[in-house]
Amino acid sequence: KNQVEQSPQSLIILEGKNCTLQCNYTVSPFSNLRWYKQDTGRGPVSLTIMTFSENTKSNGRYTATLDADTKQSSLHITASQLSDSASYICVVTIPSGTYKYIFGTGTRLKVLA
Amino acid sequence: EAQVTQNPRYLITVTGKKLTVTCSQNMNHEYMSWYRQDPGLGLRQIYYSMNVEVTDKGDVPEGYKVSRKEKRNFPLILESPSPNQTSLYFCASSLSFGGVSSYEQYFGPGTRLTVT
Repeated sequence: KNQVEQSPQSLIILEGKNCTLQCNYTVSPFSNLRWYKQDTGRGPVSLTIMTFSENTKSNGRYTATLDADTKQSSLHITASQLSDSASYICVVTIPSGTYKYIFGTGTRLKVLA
Repeated sequence: EAQVTQNPRYLITVTGKKLTVTCSQNMNHEYMSWYRQDPGLGLRQIYYSMNVEVTDKGDVPEGYKVSRKEKRNFPLILESPSPNQTSLYFCASSLSFGGVSSYEQYFGPGTRLTVT
């Protein structure tokens, strides 16, 4: 069964610290892997998109990595800010034929002052 | 401004009373999709549409209908809502879908539905 699992479920860090969120997937094959940021009660916003051939992609203080061999991805947040408090969702796209996205359940990050 | 809009944003209704949640995008996107989000379950795809008059079921289509008569609109219809359809609903769109292309998916602001 195609699944996307994220860890940890929740995380609390102090402002200015770095953190890394994990995503493991069993989807195979896949087209691309995305990370989204979702503020409470709002729609997800895309942070990064990586194809299966890419290893890393950055967006400001957010850096995503992908290891297609081990089917793992991580999202690293550098010098966290209070505004980083949100849920981070990993999404894998199944190639043409099904046109579906497989969503992880997300990691809820809280950044404290 | 490029955006996906949904209406209403909040809705409280009773079991069995038909309702429609509208979704519209102004980016000339071909692919549109509906999701529901429940605590602990993440986002789950209800229906999607590759283009006008082309729709297909996602993972949780039971109790929902959709139509795609125009490219910009993709309404979600609950013919006979039940309490288990209480959820946060998101519409999303992207230019297209498929292959190794990495089309950006844009989400609407969400519709919080409560069925009593």
